[in-house]
Amino acid sequence: NAGVMQNPRHLVRRRGQEARLRCSPMKGHSHVYWYRQLPEEGLKFMVYLQKENIIDESGMPKERFSAEFPKEGPSILRIQQVVRGDSAAYFCASSRPGRAYEQYFGPGTRLTVT
Amino acid sequence: AQTVTQSQPEMSVQEAETVTLSCTYDTSENNYYLFWYKQPPSRQMILVIRQEAYKQQNATENRFSVNFQKAAKSFSLKISDSQLGDTAMYFCAFILTGGGNKLTFGTGTQLKVEL
Repeated sequence: NAGVMQNPRHLVRRRGQEARLRCSPMKGHSHVYWYRQLPEEGLKFMVYLQKENIIDESGMPKERFSAEFPKEGPSILRIQQVVRGDSAAYFCASSRPGRAYEQYFGPGTRLTVT
Repeated sequence: AQTVTQSQPEMSVQEAETVTLSCTYDTSENNYYLFWYKQPPSRQMILVIRQEAYKQQNATENRFSVNFQKAAKSFSLKISDSQLGDTAMYFCAFILTGGGNKLTFGTGTQLKVEL
C-alpha cells in the first residue's frame, strides 16, 4: 500500500519561473493538506483540499500561490514567478474524510530558487 | 488561534539515557489531539506518538511516552534508552477535533544522541 507520494523531490527554479509540485494521496484518502517548512522552522499550514474543492486556504499567500485537487490525478501546488523567499520544503499530507487527526505525510519537495 | 511552543531549540543525550522534550500549547477549546513528530535528516515527517485530549491516560509507544497535563497545557515527550537513530528534529503539533483540519506545529527541538 503506497504512502503519500510527492514529486519532484527536489526542484530548482530561477527567479521568475513557475514551480509545480505534485502530491498523490494514499489510496482511499480524498483529503489533501499542504504545508511549508522554511529553513530552521516548523511546518506551517497552507491549504486544505478535497476533490475539486478548496476547503481552507487560510495559510496560502495571497499572490502567486494556488492549489488544486482535480477529480482525476494528483493535487498540484503552483507557485508563479518564484522568488528566493519561496525556497523551502513543501509537504503534502492526506487523510480519509473526517479524520484530519490522521494525516499521513509525503517525503516533501525541496524547492530551491536561484 | 492555537499556538504551540517548544522552548528547547537543541538538546543532547547520551546513548541509553533518558531525555524529555518540552512542549506547551495554548487553546480555548476542549477537544483536540496532540502529536509528536520526528524529522530525521531525510526530512520525512514520522509520527512518533498521538494523544487525545479527552483521555487522561498518557500515550506510550515502545520507548516513547508523553506526560500530558491538560490543565497546564503541557505535553512533554520522554524518550527512554535513547538510540543513535533517535537523532532528529522533533516537532510538537496540535489539531482541533470536530472540524479542525490544520496541524499547528511548534518550532522544533533538535535532539542529538551521542555515544
